[in-house]
Amino acid sequence: EAGVAQSPRYKIIEKRQSVAFWCNPISGHATLYWYQQILGQGPKLLIQFQNNGVVDDSQLPKDRFSAERLKGVDSTLKIQPAKLEDSAVYLCASSLLGREGYNEQFFGPGTRLTVL
Amino acid sequence: KQEVTQIPAALSVPEGENLVLNCSFTDSAIYNLQWFRQDPGKGLTSLLLIQSSQREQTSGRLNASLDKSSGRSTLYIAASQPGDSATYLCAVGPASGGSYIPTFGRGTSLIVHP
Repeated sequence: EAGVAQSPRYKIIEKRQSVAFWCNPISGHATLYWYQQILGQGPKLLIQFQNNGVVDDSQLPKDRFSAERLKGVDSTLKIQPAKLEDSAVYLCASSLLGREGYNEQFFGPGTRLTVL
Repeated sequence: KQEVTQIPAALSVPEGENLVLNCSFTDSAIYNLQWFRQDPGKGLTSLLLIQSSQREQTSGRLNASLDKSSGRSTLYIAASQPGDSATYLCAVGPASGGSYIPTFGRGTSLIVHP
C-alpha cells in the first residue's frame, strides 16, 4: 500500500514570496490533515478535510494561508506572502474514518520550508 | 485548552536498557492517544494507538499504557537498540462532540548508543 505522498521535499524562498505544497493521501482515506511543525516542537494542526469539505481550520492563519481539496483526494496548501516565522516542516496526514470517529493517522515525509 | 507534556525531553542510554517515556495531558476528556516516532528529516510513523476505553496496547518490544484519570500515558521500550534512536511524540485526541484537533507534545529525543 502506497503511503502519503508530499512534494516538494524541500523549498527555500525569500520572505513575501508565495509557495505551494502538494499532498496525496492514502487511497480511500476520507480525512486529510495539514500540520505545521516548527523546529523543536510538536506538530500543530492547520486544517482538516473530510472528503472535499473543511472540518476545521480554526488554527489556519487565513490572512496568508489557504488550502483546498477540490476532488476529495489530493490537496494543496499555499502561503502567500511568506514570513520568516513560516519556516517549518509542513506535514500532511490522512486517516480512514471521518469526524465521527478518529482512528490512526498516517503521515507523509513532510516539506521543509525555509524562508530567508 | 489541552496541554501535552513529555518527559524527559532527551534521553541517552546504552543498548539493551529498558526505557520508559512519559506523556501527561491536562484534560482527561480524551478520545484516544497515539504514540509516534519521528526520524530526523522525516515524517511521523505511528507506533501505537490507545482508545480512551483501553488501558494499554502492545506491539513487539513496545508497550503503551493509558491512565485517563491521572492524565498520563507511558511508552515502554524493552531491550532498546540503536535503531530505536528517534524522537518519540504523543498526541492526544479530544473527546467527540466537535471537530477533531489532536494536541501533540514536544517529544522525547532518544539516543541509544552501542
